[in-house]
Amino acid sequence: QKEVEQDPGPLSVPEGAIVSLNCTYNSAFQYFMWYRQYSRKGPELLMYTYSSGNKEDGRFTAQVDKSSKYISLFIRDSQPSDSATYLCAMSATQGGSEKLVFGKGTKLTVNP
Amino acid sequence: DTAVSQTPKYLVTQMGNDKSIKCEQNLGHDTMYWYKQDSKKFLKIMFSYNNKELIINETVPNRFSPKSPDKAHLNLHINSLELGDSAVYFCASSQDQGWSDTQYFGPGTRLTVL
Repeated sequence: QKEVEQDPGPLSVPEGAIVSLNCTYNSAFQYFMWYRQYSRKGPELLMYTYSSGNKEDGRFTAQVDKSSKYISLFIRDSQPSDSATYLCAMSATQGGSEKLVFGKGTKLTVNP
Repeated sequence: DTAVSQTPKYLVTQMGNDKSIKCEQNLGHDTMYWYKQDSKKFLKIMFSYNNKELIINETVPNRFSPKSPDKAHLNLHINSLELGDSAVYFCASSQDQGWSDTQYFGPGTRLTVL
């Protein structure tokens, strides 16, 4: 079983919909990140958090539930410009070494 | 101004060849990374350098050798290319080496091994 699992989708929603993207994990990660990757571009960091609970930034809300080992990214009032692949990423420092693991990414299409 | 740049953008080559990909960042960051994204979009870190020193060296064949001549550059040399090396390779940089620090990714180099 992979350390980080993410439903690859694809996910297609109408403009204005609320989008929910999710990842589960099975290791002791400390930092949780969401990246957005447009087609044929490098990933860009959207949000990061290190504690359980919600973190909001504009139309984006990142949610972490450490007890269930589950993280989510919510996009409110989705726009066609949100169409991209969204990758979750998790990191940990263990025994002096660093670890970073990405999910496979969920491809999102927002239809006008 | 491009923050993180990579050359070449596309690379098509035959099995067994040796090739290099170059990465440069003009952000004044201390840490640089190489990632591999396979055909299924799975992104995996390969190497991390901090101030020209190797910090992370994931389980990567020793045919892959990173070289950091200075803080602003991290090149990736690949010997004896194999079909399975076909992927998009991303370079990234961040101010510090902690994972909470924002990483800025380059545009990627699409490597195709025939």
